[in-house]
Amino acid sequence: GAGVSQTPSNKVTEKGKYVELRCDPISGHTALYWYRQSLGQGPEFLIYFQGTGAADDSGLPNDRFFAVRPEGSVSTLKIQRTERGDSAVYLCASSLRRGNYEQYFGPGTRLTVT
Amino acid sequence: DAKTTQPPSMDCAEGRAANLPCNHSTISGNEYVYWYRQIHSQGPQYIIHGLKNNETNEMASLIITEDRKSSTLILPHATLRDTAVYYCIVAPLELRGSNYKLTFGKGTLLTVNP
Repeated sequence: GAGVSQTPSNKVTEKGKYVELRCDPISGHTALYWYRQSLGQGPEFLIYFQGTGAADDSGLPNDRFFAVRPEGSVSTLKIQRTERGDSAVYLCASSLRRGNYEQYFGPGTRLTVT
Repeated sequence: DAKTTQPPSMDCAEGRAANLPCNHSTISGNEYVYWYRQIHSQGPQYIIHGLKNNETNEMASLIITEDRKSSTLILPHATLRDTAVYYCIVAPLELRGSNYKLTFGKGTLLTVNP
């Protein structure tokens, strides 16, 4: 079956611009996670959705970052006024049921802010 | 969450067993040991997890010491496609209503050589 998909695979933007990153989880997976991975580091948690609501957004670095999941399936991570430090790979993961460490990851979106 | 320590890199010959160690000396009784791997330019992939007993699946075996302070992931017959960063993660048991975020370290880069 189809895995987690993320679009775009690569995004280059100028400092100060707004970007949206999309995640399509595995069908039927109710939990959705966003992580960010900088070069040479492991992924870091950003935000967790259970259904439509953001159950935990404690990993978002500041208020320029926001994520939605309006129908409990597709999610969009939104970054306003991008900074060069936002350059990283943004990973999305989903899991079948509430609270599960067995997560299925997408291939990520590589964001480069110039 | 308990911290983990892994060697930054290891090498293995193709066809031989790869034994990846992880130290988690501060693990508590209600924490699992999870292993993920990340092949270059892909998202992390779940491998296996355990609590206190040894576990085996189609991908690998997990050996946890009796005191649970360390574990070893074993790939019995490593192939070139097993070259990846391997992450050992300690995570609390089921959390009612809580976020099952994964906390990644830097992992071990396993290089399988022909």
